[in-house]
Amino acid sequence: DMKVTQMPRYLIKRMGENVLLECGQDMSHETMYWYRQDPGLGLQLIYISYDVDSNSEGDIPKGYRVSRKKREHFSLILDSAKTNQTSVYFCASSSGQGDTQYFGPGTRLLVL
Amino acid sequence: QQKVQQSPESLTVSEGAMASLNCTFSDGTSNNFRWYRQHSAKGLEVLVSIFSDGEKEEGRFTAHLNRANLHVSLHIREPQPSDSAVYLCAVTGGYKVVFGSGTRLLVSP
Repeated sequence: DMKVTQMPRYLIKRMGENVLLECGQDMSHETMYWYRQDPGLGLQLIYISYDVDSNSEGDIPKGYRVSRKKREHFSLILDSAKTNQTSVYFCASSSGQGDTQYFGPGTRLLVL
Repeated sequence: QQKVQQSPESLTVSEGAMASLNCTFSDGTSNNFRWYRQHSAKGLEVLVSIFSDGEKEEGRFTAHLNRANLHVSLHIREPQPSDSAVYLCAVTGGYKVVFGSGTRLLVSP
């Protein structure tokens, strides 16, 4: 069964704390993505990973970094979280360029 | 840079009536186009993918693509209350996917 998982599903942090969002997929997909979704702005691409240790900035990478040490696992890190990073974060994976993206259930992050 | 606009922002239809959603894009050289559905506070579910001009049907969901008019639409046949969700248009060029901001569909019984 094709699946993308995200942990945690809900997270509350204080401004200045570090945040780690985890994503896993069981489809051996090469490409993985991190997006954030805000009302009225739709889905905005933060980072793309083409494979292990091969990552590229998306449209809004500032304040974020990523890590991909295994093909099935992709992490999003917020060093010193800011209140404007409160959002819903989605991870997705696809088998390659132009292929269907499969999305995780999202992580709802609140930064106080 | 690719821009994707969806209309209407929200739509209410009666159960069983056809629902039609629209998506316009700025760059017709994109590879493919997809429609996703997002139920409240959940992930996205792909409904239909279309790569060439014309029509593509997946069950009750039909996409129509017209690259010359920079337009792709989604038609939902016999919508049910469980189809109430946000529908997102996604335009792909290479690895990059640009999403519209969505149409919120409400299907009333």
